[in-house]
Amino acid sequence: NAGVTQTPKFQVLKTGQSMTLQCAQDMNHNSMYWYRQDPGMGLRLIYYSASEGTTDKGEVPNGYNVSRLNKREFSLRLESAAPSQTSVYFCASTQNLGGGAGEQYFGPGTRLTVT
Amino acid sequence: GQQVMQIPQYQHVQEGEDFTTYCNSSTTLSNIQWYKQRPGGHPVFLIQLVKSGEVKKQKRLTFQFGEAKKNSSLHITATQTTDVGTYFCAGPKTGGFKTIFGAGTRLFVKA
Repeated sequence: NAGVTQTPKFQVLKTGQSMTLQCAQDMNHNSMYWYRQDPGMGLRLIYYSASEGTTDKGEVPNGYNVSRLNKREFSLRLESAAPSQTSVYFCASTQNLGGGAGEQYFGPGTRLTVT
Repeated sequence: GQQVMQIPQYQHVQEGEDFTTYCNSSTTLSNIQWYKQRPGGHPVFLIQLVKSGEVKKQKRLTFQFGEAKKNSSLHITATQTTDVGTYFCAGPKTGGFKTIFGAGTRLFVKA
């Protein structure tokens, strides 16, 4: 049982390049999330997927797109990377048993630098 | 909008001293969660409190949920160097599937 996995662990991009961050969970959770964390800062929600087939914007969605490929996988795409997107990206999942968001399980993160 | 505020932002303690971080929500929460993030690591779920006035303990960690379900605290007794990291509280956003995280309290422990 691997929990939440993310690839890649590290990435360096040039301004304008695109890339997709991959996330998968094996806990049969219905909801998945993408957060970014800047140095010394808290977690900011980029996008989330409450259930398979749905996606919604979080606090900071500009410059990103997401795909909920199936129940297990939730990817985050940067179409044209900018230096302001340099950050650590965390994927998380939770079961969400009808009463709102429950405890979240986080992946190890992707450390992205945009030059 | 709905907010979760956490204080203090930083805390430096000597090993063996106690530590407390406080969390306040702008709205009543159905539950509150606490997470720990070690330096360079990812947030790890510690505990969830659901009931008004609930108190839960995990070894040296004591978690409380206020009577009004709008505030919470995490108290660590006799800190150790392994307690170093950032502690986040979080609560579900009303009416949806999002979680609102506090900004976190970063704990430094001097041996």
